[in-house]
Amino acid sequence: TQLLEQSPQFLSIQEGENLTVYCNSSSVFSSLQWYRQEPGEGPVLLVTVVTGGEVKKLKRLTFQFGDARKDSSLHITAAQPGDTGLYLCAVTDGSGNTGKLIFGQGTTLQVKP
Amino acid sequence: EAQVTQNPRYLITVTGKKLTVTCSQNMNHEYMSWYRQDPGLGLRQIYYSMNVEVTDKGDVPEGYKVSRKEKRNFPLILESPSPNQTSLYFCASSLWARATGELFFGEGSRLTVL
Repeated sequence: TQLLEQSPQFLSIQEGENLTVYCNSSSVFSSLQWYRQEPGEGPVLLVTVVTGGEVKKLKRLTFQFGDARKDSSLHITAAQPGDTGLYLCAVTDGSGNTGKLIFGQGTTLQVKP
Repeated sequence: EAQVTQNPRYLITVTGKKLTVTCSQNMNHEYMSWYRQDPGLGLRQIYYSMNVEVTDKGDVPEGYKVSRKEKRNFPLILESPSPNQTSLYFCASSLWARATGELFFGEGSRLTVL
């Protein structure tokens, strides 16, 4: 059983479309991160959300942390081919004293021109 | 440029032949960690280090060793590689462990064990 469930696993859309991906859990977290991993590269941090209900925007990307701090969503407006990649959500394990991040399986996004 | 550098990026080896994947960061980060990424299993932590001479096991440490003699370097050692260690490996660092988990990742090392 995955601590973090991401959906959908795969998404293929045309340039200009909007999309939302989800990261869900039955556990409560103090914070949650979203990373993007492009082919042949390591994950890169996009955002950290900390407060329940928090909404953060990064250009065309909107991140929301659920009120109960158990889930999060990433919405992309007018997707572009450069948005193609693997989107991963991650949370700090337990007390956070190990620094370990637990990752979801990721959503693979393909944006076609 | 702030970065985490791994070497080699690609390696094909045979069962039992010892190998080391190096990792170096130039950000003066205290915390470093190794992850492996496998299809269907995602990213899993192998080992981590809170600071020089302080290392500990992650979720999948079997078959691996690490050392942290200097703050900037955190090599991953496979004493006797086996085919189930074929994977994509990532080294990551963070300013410190007790934070909101912001990790900086290297570009990855793709290892194939025949």
